[in-house]
Amino acid sequence: NAGVTQTPKFQVLKTGQSMTLQCAQDMNHNSMYWYRQDPGMGLRLIYYSASEGTTDKGEVPNGYNVSRLNKREFSLRLESAAPSQTSVYFCASSELDRGYNEQFFGPGTRLTVL
Amino acid sequence: DAKTTQPPSMDCAEGRAANLPCNHSTISGNEYVYWYRQIHSQGPQYIIHGLKNNETNEMASLIITEDRKSSTLILPHATLRDTAVYYCIVRVAGSGAGSYQLTFGKGTKLSVIP
Repeated sequence: NAGVTQTPKFQVLKTGQSMTLQCAQDMNHNSMYWYRQDPGMGLRLIYYSASEGTTDKGEVPNGYNVSRLNKREFSLRLESAAPSQTSVYFCASSELDRGYNEQFFGPGTRLTVL
Repeated sequence: DAKTTQPPSMDCAEGRAANLPCNHSTISGNEYVYWYRQIHSQGPQYIIHGLKNNETNEMASLIITEDRKSSTLILPHATLRDTAVYYCIVRVAGSGAGSYQLTFGKGTKLSVIP
């Protein structure tokens, strides 16, 4: 039972390049999330998917797109990377049917945009 | 959702109880208090949540004041591995649309001292 996995662990991009961050969970959770964390700051929600087939914007969606490929997988795409997107990206999943939001987080992807 | 206020940092001696406070004076009757922690460079980890009553699990205890305007997370016997940033989050309970977005502020950096 791997929980939430993210690939890659590290990535360096040049300004204007594109890339997709992958996330998968094996807990059969309905909801998945993408956050970014800048140095010394808390996490900020980029996008979330309440259930398969739905996605919604979070606090900081500009410059990103997401795809909920199936119940297990939720990807984050940077179409034209900018230095301001240098950050650590965390994926998470949860099941709200129990009435509370216990999110399980992946290990993160450390992205540097030059 | 209600805002939370936490001290930026705290120290605790190893083996002693760590008491982490959180103010949430504008909390609504249907909002949970959640606690998460983030050990250096890792994804956040859920600790505990509560609505009105005090709660205890294998990791910690959560004490919520009767007026619900503040709470305290208690780690009964802090170890060096409890050194982390602790986030207090308030969010509406249930599985509706408002339940998904957890707001992680800057939290309290707890340092457990040998």
